[in-house]
Amino acid sequence: EAQVTQNPRYLITVTGKKLTVTCSQNMNHEYMSWYRQDPGLGLRQIYYSMNVEVTDKGDVPEGYKVSRKEKRNFPLILESPSPNQTSLYFCASRPRGQAILPQWGYTFGSGTRLTVV
Amino acid sequence: KNEVEQSPQNLTAQEGEFITINCSYSVGISALHWLQQHPGGGIVSLFMLSSGKKKHGRLIATINIQEKHSSLHITASHPRDSAVYICAVRPTGTASKLTFGTGTRLQVTL
Repeated sequence: EAQVTQNPRYLITVTGKKLTVTCSQNMNHEYMSWYRQDPGLGLRQIYYSMNVEVTDKGDVPEGYKVSRKEKRNFPLILESPSPNQTSLYFCASRPRGQAILPQWGYTFGSGTRLTVV
Repeated sequence: KNEVEQSPQNLTAQEGEFITINCSYSVGISALHWLQQHPGGGIVSLFMLSSGKKKHGRLIATINIQEKHSSLHITASHPRDSAVYICAVRPTGTASKLTFGTGTRLQVTL
């Protein structure tokens, strides 16, 4: 089944303890992205990647790192998490080019609910 | 002012009604996406479009590039359509940057 897999689904951690949220896709998509979703603010892009070793900042990159060493994986790293990074995180991927079929847009992971105390 | 504005913010409809959700944006774009977020939190991509109109089942999406406006229509609405619908735009010159509207919460009742 074509999918984007995020892990973990839920995570409670303490301030300052480094963590990684993994994201993997099995569709050979070039583009991958990370988003956070907060009440009243909606979805905001953290980082995106257009291919292996090609990444760029989104709207809210502070406090986050990413890497794209393999096409299928795009982990999100919080080197020193703080309470303001408590949020719902989504990873997504899409193929390069125009969507021929209406549903050929982004495929989203199931989300990771992170709480930093 | 947000770059992407959706209206209405909340919408309640009875089963069978025709529904329209609007999205206006203020920047030049290369594509616009419509997403559906289920009550459980999962997000599904409905449409990606850069011109004209697309149809998939009971859903229709249109875009007017000159007016910087898109609409999502749901025909013969059903309670399973209850979800948050989110508009997102990809600014011109970017390959994968997305800016999102804050969503329209739709509830369809029997």
